[in-house]
Amino acid sequence: ETGVTQTPRHLVMGMTNKKSLKCEQHLGHNAMYWYKQSAKKPLELMFVYSLEERVENNSVPSRFSPECPNSSHLFLHLHTLQPEDSALYLCASSQVMQAGGTDTQYFGPGTRLTVL
Amino acid sequence: AQSVTQLDSHVSVSEGTPVLLRCNYSSSYSPSLFWYVQHPNKGLQLLLKYTSAATLVKGINGFEAEFKKSETSFHLTKPSAHMSDAAEYFCVVLRSGGYNKLIFGAGTRLAVHP
Repeated sequence: ETGVTQTPRHLVMGMTNKKSLKCEQHLGHNAMYWYKQSAKKPLELMFVYSLEERVENNSVPSRFSPECPNSSHLFLHLHTLQPEDSALYLCASSQVMQAGGTDTQYFGPGTRLTVL
Repeated sequence: AQSVTQLDSHVSVSEGTPVLLRCNYSSSYSPSLFWYVQHPNKGLQLLLKYTSAATLVKGINGFEAEFKKSETSFHLTKPSAHMSDAAEYFCVVLRSGGYNKLIFGAGTRLAVHP
């Protein structure tokens, strides 16, 4: 579990607050991911950064803003969230391989977010 | 499009009895498939993965899965359940092309009773 760390582990915020989630990977990977895990719904991919470039924004509302300053760090900036945004936010990393390879994603423990 | 269907949302077994968690996949290509486990308040941990090598894949903690192309299945099994196996299990298919994207099943919650 120490390969991918996330802080904070728990966060409670009001709808007018601004906060940030942080993810750090210690595995030397070149791709990082944000997922949202809501109750009774499959994991949803939110954003992907490969080689520090955003390669997917999966129709995520603009109140979620990712940032990837380098290959080891990933942030999710939050502002004016809604109660339905309450969920477990998971970060993952992988080593994107050459064509034909299969990379394995390694997950952090998640941040449990509650929006009041 | 690739997808996975986990056939049971909840499975309950007694300690020491076999575990079977069922997963069917849909894929136009020879898929890469994974099983992940999530214990309460923890992130996802990789149990095992299939990448078109041996059809019987052995994972951690005594789990294994068999890829059956004729049945489009990738069921997860364990001969003898432990209390510590109680968790949520996710069957996952890799969508290839460009960067690789994981498509998750809805999950199966495994309960283990003494």
